[in-house]
Amino acid sequence: GNSVTQMEGPVTLSEEAFLTINCTYTATGYPSLFWYVQYPGEGLQLLLKATKADDKGSNKGFEATYRKETTSFHLEKGSVQVSDSAVYFCALSDHGYGGSQGNLIFGKGTKLSVKP
Amino acid sequence: NAGVMQNPRHLVRRRGQEARLRCSPMKGHSHVYWYRQLPEEGLKFMVYLQKENIIDESGMPKERFSAEFPKEGPSILRIQQVVRGDSAAYFCASGTSVTGELFFGEGSRLTVL
Repeated sequence: GNSVTQMEGPVTLSEEAFLTINCTYTATGYPSLFWYVQYPGEGLQLLLKATKADDKGSNKGFEATYRKETTSFHLEKGSVQVSDSAVYFCALSDHGYGGSQGNLIFGKGTKLSVKP
Repeated sequence: NAGVMQNPRHLVRRRGQEARLRCSPMKGHSHVYWYRQLPEEGLKFMVYLQKENIIDESGMPKERFSAEFPKEGPSILRIQQVVRGDSAAYFCASGTSVTGELFFGEGSRLTVL
């Protein structure tokens, strides 16, 4: 079945360091891929998405490229800030219903802590 | 995502009681999803509903859990005879049939004593 695997945390970085959080997926067909962020005590917020191979999603300095050949969607940011401390979830949507939307399948999440 | 409204935000129940969690989707959204997040884990899909229909409940425990999305009013996730293992954050998300993006509420955190 479809699945998402992301690197386990926690990840601890100093401010302005480079961030990479790895995410790989297994899916039939052509899923859409997402990164969601969860700040402490809050719900999930969509960070970025990509809907087809070679698409790059970007938002708030974060980027991820949909790599079909390596089935990956790694999250990167060139210079992290303390305010980026959160849990990051990689997810895929298998478009299982009506060709447009299926349920989201999440990775287990990676906790990021950025120290000043 | 502020448009998806969940209540209560926090709910405390004793073992054997019932828990009801409510979710009002964003305006114009006809698809509702419920997810459960256990401590230190990712979100797990529970159920997908459209108005008056359960589309996929493959993630729902077979007993004690039920969900509905009536023609009028919010979607309800109901847990009967709660046990300590039901303690978790329950997130509702809504979407349309047009895109694959889901919008999440802030969650309802259930604590079973």
